[in-house]
Amino acid sequence: EIVLTQSPGTLSLSPGDRATLSCRASQTVNNDFFAWYQQKAGQPPRLLIYGPSNRAPGIPDRFSGSGSGTDFTLTISRLEPEDFAVYYCQQHQTSPLFTFTFGPGTKVDLK
Amino acid sequence: QVQLQESGPGLVKPSETLSLTCTVSGGSISGAHWNWIRQPAGKELEWIGHIHNEGTISYHPSLKNRVTMSVDRSNNQFSLKVSSVTAADTAVYFCARDPVDGHGHFDKWGRGTLVTVSS
Repeated sequence: EIVLTQSPGTLSLSPGDRATLSCRASQTVNNDFFAWYQQKAGQPPRLLIYGPSNRAPGIPDRFSGSGSGTDFTLTISRLEPEDFAVYYCQQHQTSPLFTFTFGPGTKVDLK
Repeated sequence: QVQLQESGPGLVKPSETLSLTCTVSGGSISGAHWNWIRQPAGKELEWIGHIHNEGTISYHPSLKNRVTMSVDRSNNQFSLKVSSVTAADTAVYFCARDPVDGHGHFDKWGRGTLVTVSS
């Protein structure tokens, strides 16, 4: 099973700052099968980016995704107050195991 | 606008079976993979498995011996059963849609339901 590691664990920033979140996979990931989510307390995750640079419908263009192979990045160009949340990366593999895995998350909090 | 809603008991005794249902509204249950994902308090998300409306099923390898999923097309619902539960199965359980657009992601989620395993 591919394991995802996210860094940093916590990112303390101010509104207007640029946020750069990293996700590293233990093996090469199919780029089409990679995504990022935002989760706020008491809410389900919300799809932000998939495939790995396509924004989901309704997602502001300050969110962007990049990367390939084992290293992926989510960038928030200018943090808005509503962006302070936990961000998860996710991958899907079909062989040798068929599964989906998530990273442990990066918390973006107010500095 | 497709919406998902989980329902089921919030408390299950150890060794018993956890049963949840997800109701899909605002759209058809056809043409997508319908998933169960759980999240223990303060921990990361864990994919449990998915089912297609035509009955194709995949389970997480570590859970496949205890998990059963089914679909009820007439009521636009799909269900999850986890047998022989322990405290480790305590989590918020989400149902979610994979639109099967070639990208293996989850674009619609239910709000989640907390299931506690305790005697």
